[in-house]
Amino acid sequence: DQQVKQNSPSLSVQEGRISILNCDYTNSMFDYFLWYKKYPAEGPTFLISISSIKDKNEDGRFTVFLNKSAKHLSLHIVPSQPGDSAVYFCAASVGGETSGSRLTFGEGTQLTVNP
Amino acid sequence: ETGVTQTPRHLVMGMTNKKSLKCEQHLGHNAMYWYKQSAKKPLELMFVYNFKEQTENNSVPSRFSPECPNSSHLFLHLHTLQPEDSALYLCASRRGGNEKLFFGSGTQLSVL
Repeated sequence: DQQVKQNSPSLSVQEGRISILNCDYTNSMFDYFLWYKKYPAEGPTFLISISSIKDKNEDGRFTVFLNKSAKHLSLHIVPSQPGDSAVYFCAASVGGETSGSRLTFGEGTQLTVNP
Repeated sequence: ETGVTQTPRHLVMGMTNKKSLKCEQHLGHNAMYWYKQSAKKPLELMFVYNFKEQTENNSVPSRFSPECPNSSHLFLHLHTLQPEDSALYLCASRRGGNEKLFFGSGTQLSVL
């Protein structure tokens, strides 16, 4: 039973436009969500997170939106840049930011930003 | 550079070989992890160590044997693997209860 799903394996956008990556989850106990970015031949790196007490968190060009009723979160990148081309993983956990509980990851979405 | 170093970066081994993957973290973290990433699949948690003690084994076959001699080093010993074990093996570390994992670059393993 996959509790975190990223239904789009790939996404292609033009430079300067908005990229929207989506993630759905089934476990209503999840209360902390993260996005990781992974370049080829490198490990994933933390990008942005959001707690379930919020519905939006913004960091520069990156904004994560959380819709708890729909069990859906999305990552918006605007404007998109070619250097954003990478695989993006959504992850979720129970118990908040400091609980130390395990992260459950989605399958990843390959984002390609075309110049 | 994330502060988590994995060696080797690439490994090709036969099914009867014994090899080891090494991970070292320079971040002063207390928890270390092994993850497996197969193509188009989620990252699969394999093992968790907290303060050198194994706290989680996610039903991993015994042909994978982890070792954590101290909080900075983690090994994954491989023995009689199968071709389906070919994947990217990622080490990660975390400071206490903080959820942010720091990953190494991984070892791309091919089992022939």
